[in-house]
Amino acid sequence: AQTVTQSQPEMSVQEAETVTLSCTYDTSENNYYLFWYKQPPSRQMILVIRQEAYKQQNATENRFSVNFQKAAKSFSLKISDSQLGDTAMYFCAFMSYSGTYKYIFGTGTRLKVLA
Amino acid sequence: KAGVTQTPRYLIKTRGQQVTLSCSPISGHRSVSWYQQTPGQGLQFLFEYFSETQRNKGNFPGRFSGRQFSNSRSEMNVSTLELGDSALYLCASSPEGLTVTYEQYFGPGTRLTVT
Repeated sequence: AQTVTQSQPEMSVQEAETVTLSCTYDTSENNYYLFWYKQPPSRQMILVIRQEAYKQQNATENRFSVNFQKAAKSFSLKISDSQLGDTAMYFCAFMSYSGTYKYIFGTGTRLKVLA
Repeated sequence: KAGVTQTPRYLIKTRGQQVTLSCSPISGHRSVSWYQQTPGQGLQFLFEYFSETQRNKGNFPGRFSGRQFSNSRSEMNVSTLELGDSALYLCASSPEGLTVTYEQYFGPGTRLTVT
C-alpha cells in the first residue's frame, strides 16, 4: 500500500531565510503525481506545487521549489525568502492514476515563520 | 468564480445522532471528494463522486455515506455518530475528476464535534 511520511511535525524559520520540508513516500507504481498543499491557520487548503513522476526536472513556483528524487522516493519542499504569510500546515500528497485511484496525504508539517 | 463552499461550518452533535454535511463545488467542477482531517491522522480520504456516481471510496465504515446531485453539489452523511468522528471534514472539487487534472480545490471545512 502507498504511504506518505512527513517526519517533521513542526518547524520554524526566520523571516527571509530558507527552509526545507521533507516528505518520503512508498509505492510500487511508476506513474504518479506528488503535491504540496498549504493550509494557513483557519484558512482553506491551497495547492503550492505539483510534480509529475515522469518528469525529471524539479518543479518550481516562485519562491517554492521541490527536490524530487524518484529512486529514493523523496519529495522535499524548499521555501526561499520565507515570509510571515508562509506560516501554515504543509501537507505532502501522493496521487496515482493507474488502476485504482489513490490520493494519500501525509500527516503534515506545521511551519512557523518568525519575524 | 466562487470557491468551494461547505455548510455548516460548525456542528455539535451527540453520540448516536446522525449528521449531514453539504458541499458546493466550484462552478463547472464535476468531481467532489471528501476527507476527514484529525490532528493525529492527517487527511484521510472518504470518497469521491463524479457525475452523481461514487467513483472511489476510502477505508471508512458504512456509517459514512455520500451522494452527489445533478448540479454537482454533494452531501456527506454520518450515522450513529461516535466520539472518534469529531474532526474537520473537508470537501474538494476538481474540474474533470482526479484522473485528468489531479489538482484539488478545497473548501473551508465543517468542524464536527461529537459529545
